[in-house]
Amino acid sequence: GENVEQHPSTLSVQEGDSAVIKCTYSDSASNYFPWYKQELGKGPQLIIDIRSNVGEKKDQRIAVTLNKTAKHFSLHITETQPEDSAVYFCAASSEYGNKLVFGAGTILRVKS
Amino acid sequence: DTAVSQTPKYLVTQMGNDKSIKCEQNLGHDTMYWYKQDSKKFLKIMFSYNNKELIINETVPNRFSPKSPDKAHLNLHINSLELGDSAVYFCASSQDWLRQGGTDTQYFGPGTRLTVL
Repeated sequence: GENVEQHPSTLSVQEGDSAVIKCTYSDSASNYFPWYKQELGKGPQLIIDIRSNVGEKKDQRIAVTLNKTAKHFSLHITETQPEDSAVYFCAASSEYGNKLVFGAGTILRVKS
Repeated sequence: DTAVSQTPKYLVTQMGNDKSIKCEQNLGHDTMYWYKQDSKKFLKIMFSYNNKELIINETVPNRFSPKSPDKAHLNLHINSLELGDSAVYFCASSQDWLRQGGTDTQYFGPGTRLTVL
């Protein structure tokens, strides 16, 4: 089945710097890759997603890149702000496409 | 307007009890899910229902029984609670089960923190 690895497990950056979180997946048939942000005491919130027919997608300060050959995808946050501090999860659709397999999460701390 | 809602938000109970968690979505979605998030924040799917039919059952103990009375509701009933059931349980929904060959975008509820003493 699908396996998703996420790195780093924790990331501290200064306000205004960029943050990059990387994920690799095992199933070459996976074709949907969302990123979720989870704040303390809340449910995961979708922040951006990408499907396998696209290599990059941007939404203001957030971007996701996908390399299907290497089976990895990354989240890029530019001009980080303290409110970006949260746990970020990547996910990939399973071999049958009917479920998401999540990475272990990255705790992002933005220091002001 | 809350898109995916769960009740209760906190649930504290003794080992051996039976409890239920309720989930409702007002997005008009056809598919709903239950996830478990353990103490290490790892998120894992438990069940998925599409149009009230079970489509995913991830080798969850049969003490866990989901019930979908209609497309907008997916409840989770847990019998004979054990210490290891302590976790945060999230409900989620998506417009459909599959889209463009992959899963559709999923939207999560706020979670129910279950503590078994």
